[in-house]
Amino acid sequence: EADIYQTPRYLVIGTGKKITLECSQTMGHDKMYWYQQDPGMELHLIHYSYGVNSTEKGDLSSESTVSRIRTEHFPLTLESARPSHTSQYLCASSPPGGSGYTFGSGTRLTVV
Amino acid sequence: TQLLEQSPQFLSIQEGENLTVYCNSSSVFSSLQWYRQEPGEGPVLLVTVVTGGEVKKLKRLTFQFGDARKDSSLHITAAQPGDTGLYLCADPDPLPFGNEKLTFGTGTRLTIIP
Repeated sequence: EADIYQTPRYLVIGTGKKITLECSQTMGHDKMYWYQQDPGMELHLIHYSYGVNSTEKGDLSSESTVSRIRTEHFPLTLESARPSHTSQYLCASSPPGGSGYTFGSGTRLTVV
Repeated sequence: TQLLEQSPQFLSIQEGENLTVYCNSSSVFSSLQWYRQEPGEGPVLLVTVVTGGEVKKLKRLTFQFGDARKDSSLHITAAQPGDTGLYLCADPDPLPFGNEKLTFGTGTRLTIIP
């Protein structure tokens, strides 16, 4: 059973639309992350959070924004989607002590 | 940020055969994590190795960390179709505030043919 949930699993939208990708975890983890993965490519960190009201940018420049109003919820928003945003977006969380991530199943986004 | 090279990039073998995949870096790892990612899913953590020379076993999977902590290998015995997936090694780097960023390797895409 998954302890970290992402919705939607698949999304096809038109250019210029605003979208929010949802991520929720039930493990009480303070640390959460968003990674972007293009097909056949490596994962790259785009955002992370160390707790409520904290958000930081990762290595890969992204036009998306995130928020962390509740421990369990870490949504990602694109204000105006473009075809270049087409990718798989993976949310993850980790416990204290750095013993590995738990990833969600991902959202595969296609912008047409 | 160090580069993690995994080899081979693709591997397709028959069910029942043994295989080994590798993860190498020019720098020393503080620790190393191995994940498996199935199509359409997120990566799932298999193991974390910390100590040089360490060997960990997970059923038919054997993970080894090099003595110098610059390389690691994953050996699968008697591969089964359920082992099919993308195998990723990942190096955790500290971030501010206690977070860790995972730098992922290039991956080995493994296909087990029934």
